[in-house]
Amino acid sequence: GEDVEQSLFLSVREGDSSVINCTYTDSSSTYLYWYKQEPGAGLQLLTYIFSNMDMKQDQRLTVLLNKKDKHLSLRIADTQTGDSAIYFCAESTYNTDKLIFGTGTRLQVFP
Amino acid sequence: DSGVTQTPKHLITATGQRVTLRCSPRSGDLSVYWYQQSLDQGLQFLIQYYNGEERAKGNILERFSAQQFPDLHSELNLSSLELGDSALYFCASSAPIGGGSYEQYFGPGTRLTVT
Repeated sequence: GEDVEQSLFLSVREGDSSVINCTYTDSSSTYLYWYKQEPGAGLQLLTYIFSNMDMKQDQRLTVLLNKKDKHLSLRIADTQTGDSAIYFCAESTYNTDKLIFGTGTRLQVFP
Repeated sequence: DSGVTQTPKHLITATGQRVTLRCSPRSGDLSVYWYQQSLDQGLQFLIQYYNGEERAKGNILERFSAQQFPDLHSELNLSSLELGDSALYFCASSAPIGGGSYEQYFGPGTRLTVT
C-alpha cells in the first residue's frame, strides 16, 4: 500500500542544520519529492530525487535516499528564519502521476 | 509564482450547497490534478485530468466531480457540502522530468469554509 510518514515538528536554531525525515512503504516509488508550504501559501517544489540515486545536493539542500529502508531525508544547511514552514515529502510511481504526500513536518527556526 | 491560477481564493458557504472551484494550468501543461488539504486527512490526491480526459482517481467523494475543458482549464464541483468538506483545495499542473514521472506545479489554493 501507499503510506508516507514524517515526524510532525522540528525546532532548530538559526545557522544550524535541519534534518527532516520521511519513510515510505511503496517499493515501486520512482521519484521522491520535497515540497515547502509557507503559511497561507501553496506548495513549492524544493527538490526531487530519482529512486536509483542515493544523494542529491542543491545549494543548501541535501537529499539522502536509503531505498533498502525506504527512508528519505532532507538536510537544510545554515537554516534561516525564512526556512520556517511545513515540509512535505511525496512519492510517485512509474507512470502514475499522482503524488502521495506525507503528513508534513513543521520546521520552526528560532534566533 | 508557479503559473497555475485558482479562483476564488476564499469561499464561504453553507451546508448542503454546491460550489465550483476553477483552475487554469501553466501554459502548455496538459495535466491538471486536484488535491484536498484538511487538518484531519492531510494532503490527499483527488483526481487527475489529461487533455480533457480523466486519467486517475484518488479519494474523491461521489458528491465531488471534476472536468477539464478544451482550453485545458479545470473545474472541481463540490455538492451537498458538509462541514467536513472545509479544506484547502489545490490544483496542480505538470511537466515531465523523465522516467515516466512529472514535476507538479501547485496553484495558491482555494480555501473553502462550510458553515
